[in-house]
Amino acid sequence: GESVGLHLPTLSVQEGDNSIINCAYSNSASDYFIWYKQESGKGPQFIIDIRSNMDKRQGQRVTVLLNKTVKHLSLQIAATQPGDSAVYFCAEKDPSWGKLQFGAGTQVVVTP
Amino acid sequence: EPEVTQTPSHQVTQMGQEVILRCVPISNHLYFYWYRQILGQKVEFLVSFYNNEISEKSEIFDDQFSVERPDGSNFTLKIRSTKLEDSAMYFCAGAGRNYGYTFGSGTRLTVV
Repeated sequence: GESVGLHLPTLSVQEGDNSIINCAYSNSASDYFIWYKQESGKGPQFIIDIRSNMDKRQGQRVTVLLNKTVKHLSLQIAATQPGDSAVYFCAEKDPSWGKLQFGAGTQVVVTP
Repeated sequence: EPEVTQTPSHQVTQMGQEVILRCVPISNHLYFYWYRQILGQKVEFLVSFYNNEISEKSEIFDDQFSVERPDGSNFTLKIRSTKLEDSAMYFCAGAGRNYGYTFGSGTRLTVV
């Protein structure tokens, strides 16, 4: 989900369950999408990316799905672990000079 | 794995003072960016830099901001006369030809 201001949507997940984080992007011309993880006081950390000519890409424990028809991106984390607790941002890349536009973020809290 | 290095990690400055935030990008990157993140908010694009000149800038990047790559390695962001609302995390990022995008760990700027 998305929000503005200081109130990030929060996803509470039990350790071992799967997590799904959703993101709506804005520019139908965006050609590349990235999911980032951000822990407190740190910079965005790359998780997985996908180009606009694909609709699914899998990494280690993570899968990104892209639905260009409705401009929707999702990140699935399998077997969520305590170390997965962080804020997750989706970002879309402008095809001209490559700037990234970030979503507002989702706070993932993994409970034991 | 190559890293983007930012210094200082934390800078406190008085309102009206000039600050320079420094970044050492990855050597084979071609595109360079500054982003900022106000506490609790999403990451926002400031400026992109390619071939020793600004390629794109956002509305945030007004006349108080400037960027330089003076010696072909360091990439700096200068804020001429800081305001309270400039307090944020500032992230440098770089990208090569094939999309790969790397962020630094950020400089926390506090304007008092």
